[in-house]
Amino acid sequence: DIVVTQSPDSLAVSLGERATINCKSSQSVLYSSNNKNYLAWFQLKPGQPPKLLIYWASTRESGVPDRFSGSGSGTDFTLTISSLQAEDVAVYYCQQYYNTPWTFGQGTKVEVK
Amino acid sequence: QVQLQESGPGVVKPSETLSLTCTVSGGSISKNYWSWMRLPPGKGPEWIGYVYNSGNTQYNPSLKSRVTISIDTSKNQFSLKLSSVTAADTAVYYCARVVSLFYIDYWGQGTLVTVSS
Repeated sequence: DIVVTQSPDSLAVSLGERATINCKSSQSVLYSSNNKNYLAWFQLKPGQPPKLLIYWASTRESGVPDRFSGSGSGTDFTLTISSLQAEDVAVYYCQQYYNTPWTFGQGTKVEVK
Repeated sequence: QVQLQESGPGVVKPSETLSLTCTVSGGSISKNYWSWMRLPPGKGPEWIGYVYNSGNTQYNPSLKSRVTISIDTSKNQFSLKLSSVTAADTAVYYCARVVSLFYIDYWGQGTLVTVSS
């Protein structure tokens, strides 16, 4: 199984400041034949379904604010919230879909400082 | 917009079978892959398995011996059965749509299932 590890476990950021979440996979999730990284990012708020933010490591889902961006390739990835808003308080997960079993990170809780 | 809604008992006794159904609205279940995930308390999400409209399935090897996922295209529903449950199966269970066996784009609201006598 591909192990996906996020850091940090929690993060407190002032409103308007940048939040950065890291995600590392135990093996590369870059598929050489199409040069795509099989990695997604989700946001989970209490009482709501998980929301897809980013897929293919850097493609923003339709309707997701452009303050959310994804980067990285191979085994190391980053989700950046460029200017934290109050509504961004949530737990964020990365997930690889390169191989089954699909696996998720343990989550990063983002709070307002 | 596609919507998914899980339904089923909120409490299951140890050693019994957990059964959940996901009803899909706003789109045909005959396209895409459909998946179940769960979120145990204090842990990250776990992928359980997926089904296609042909009935083709794939399961997480860690659960494979206890899991069955099926699809009913006439009702626009797919279902999860997990047998011989223990307290470790207590979790919020989610159904979801998978785009072409790639990323998950829509999730249900989730339903808490507690294994308890």
